[in-house]
Amino acid sequence: DAGVIQSPRHEVTEMGQEVTLRCKPISGHNSLFWYRQTMMRGLELLIYFNNNVPIDDSGMPEDRFSAKMPNASFSTLKIQPSEPRDSAVYFCASSPGTGDYGYTFGSGTRLTVV
Amino acid sequence: DQQVKQNSPSLSVQEGRISILNCDYTNSMFDYFLWYKKYPAEGPTFLISISSIKDKNEDGRFTVFLNKSAKHLSLHIVPSQPGDSAVYFCAAPAGYALNFGKGTSLLVTP
Repeated sequence: DAGVIQSPRHEVTEMGQEVTLRCKPISGHNSLFWYRQTMMRGLELLIYFNNNVPIDDSGMPEDRFSAKMPNASFSTLKIQPSEPRDSAVYFCASSPGTGDYGYTFGSGTRLTVV
Repeated sequence: DQQVKQNSPSLSVQEGRISILNCDYTNSMFDYFLWYKKYPAEGPTFLISISSIKDKNEDGRFTVFLNKSAKHLSLHIVPSQPGDSAVYFCAAPAGYALNFGKGTSLLVTP
């Protein structure tokens, strides 16, 4: 298995633009997580999906952020409109199921909003 | 509010010596802890875990110690190798997902 695949690896965009980050979890993993890493806050959970259903989105900072998981092999995190304070590294992770904390992380997307 | 705290942002150790990375937590309900390791431009990878029913778990050069009364855990790496240079995150399950500390950057010098 190629692991968790995220795209793009780097994204530079102008303030106000829409940004879409993509994630392909490991086949057979039922849990998917989006995390954001910043210097100030470290790794913080944005949203958790189980069997493609959003279970906990309490970490999504604002209505500008939205996430979808249309099927078991694909998820997106969208920011519209983007702002400079959204600049961070965004990680997607998957695990076999609820309560399995040996997550497999993707390599992350480094987002820069100018 | 950080429930898992790593108060040392960085640590430098000579090759062959012991590296000790520390982690404190505030929630006494936590019953399982994990350490993740992260290299630059990569995602974190799972390293070792410990259940609260134990006070020690060992895997090769890596040992995690848990002191429940002090709400403290530590990761020991013996002997340290240059390839161990990375950021180490302590984590505990909170709700549905892991709650991570901010990480400690370990540099092992030859």
